Amino acid sequence: NAGVTQTPKFRVLKTGQSMTLLCAQDMNHEYMYWYRQDPGMGLRLIHYSVGEGTTAKGEVPDGYNVSRLKKQNFLLGLESAAPSQTSVYFCASRGHGTDTQYFGPGTRLTVL
Amino acid sequence: DAKTTQPPSMDCAEGRAANLPCNHSTISGNEYVYWYRQIHSQGPQYIIHGLKNNETNEMASLIITEDRKSSTLILPHATLRDTAVYYCIVYPPGSGNTGKLIFGQGTTLQVKP
Repeated sequence: NAGVTQTPKFRVLKTGQSMTLLCAQDMNHEYMYWYRQDPGMGLRLIHYSVGEGTTAKGEVPDGYNVSRLKKQNFLLGLESAAPSQTSVYFCASRGHGTDTQYFGPGTRLTVL
Repeated sequence: DAKTTQPPSMDCAEGRAANLPCNHSTISGNEYVYWYRQIHSQGPQYIIHGLKNNETNEMASLIITEDRKSSTLILPHATLRDTAVYYCIVYPPGSGNTGKLIFGQGTTLQVKP
């Protein structure tokens, strides 16, 4: 039982490049979340999903897209990366009937 | 939305109890108080949560005042590995099934030898 995993762990992009961050969970959780954390700040919600095939905007959704084609995976896409998207990205999942979220180890993204 | 206020930083001697306070004076009657922590460069980790009564698990104890306007997280015997940022979160109203956690600045706990 790996819990929540994220790939890649690190990535450096140039402005304008695109990439996809993958989050996978093996706990059969319904809900999944993408957060970003900037230096010295708390986490901010980007997008979330309440089930397979559904997504919704969070607090800071601009510049990101997401997809939840499979229950266990939640993808975060950057179509045209900007330096302002330099951050650490965390994925989390939550099971039905509980409010506790389980977080992945994070992806450290630098956009030059 | 209900908000929380925490001191930005605290120190604790190794082996002693760490008491981390949190104010949530606008908490609603059905909102839970959650505590997470984030060890440097890692993802946040759930610690404990409660509604009205005091709670204890293998990691910590949570003391909630009778009026529910404040709470204290207690790490009974702090170790160096407990050095982290601790977040007190009130489960936001109206979130329904979305479970959106709103993280504030948290308290940076430094456990010293």
